[in-house]
Amino acid sequence: DGGITQSPKYLFRKEGQNVTLSCEQNLNHDAMYWYRQDPGQGLRLIYYSQIVNDFQKGDIAEGYSVSREKKESFPLTVTSAQKNPTAFYLCASSRSWAETQYFGPGTRLLVL
Amino acid sequence: DQQVKQNSPSLSVQEGRISILNCDYTNSMFDYFLWYKKYPAEGPTFLISISSIKDKNEDGRFTVFLNKSAKHLSLHIVPSQPGDSAVYFCAASEDDKIIFGKGTRLHILP
Repeated sequence: DGGITQSPKYLFRKEGQNVTLSCEQNLNHDAMYWYRQDPGQGLRLIYYSQIVNDFQKGDIAEGYSVSREKKESFPLTVTSAQKNPTAFYLCASSRSWAETQYFGPGTRLLVL
Repeated sequence: DQQVKQNSPSLSVQEGRISILNCDYTNSMFDYFLWYKKYPAEGPTFLISISSIKDKNEDGRFTVFLNKSAKHLSLHIVPSQPGDSAVYFCAASEDDKIIFGKGTRLHILP
């Protein structure tokens, strides 16, 4: 089955700790995206990648980092610089840039 | 400054009736519009889309209408079913980005 997987489903972060959220797709999509959803907010773009080995900052990139070493994978690291990391994180991919995006199931990050 | 606005945070509709979700946008350069449906603790799923060259697109119980002069689009669900209870996101795209609205929570009442 083709799709997007995110792991883990729930992630707990201690103060001052970096954590990495996984996103994998087997849809052969070129573009991948990371969004953050907070209660009462829409989806806000953190980072995006139009093609492997390339990525760009979105609207709220501060405190986050990404890599795109493989087409299938786009991990997101929430660094200790992100002061309000508690949110639902969604990964998406699309065949090419700005085409219809398909989303993974999400990872909920909680701070201990 | 919100470029895509869903002004109703929630909507309640009787089962079997029509649900109408509205979305307004400010950027006349948007050329493609999408609706996504999201259940709690899950990723959004793509529902239906419409290109700016059309004013209507229909897929089963779901119809999206686009009024370019008013910069307004709406999603109609007929008839509404219990499984339609979810948050619906409107999104708009131009060449280099897709922008999402804040969502409207739809409650289908028995």
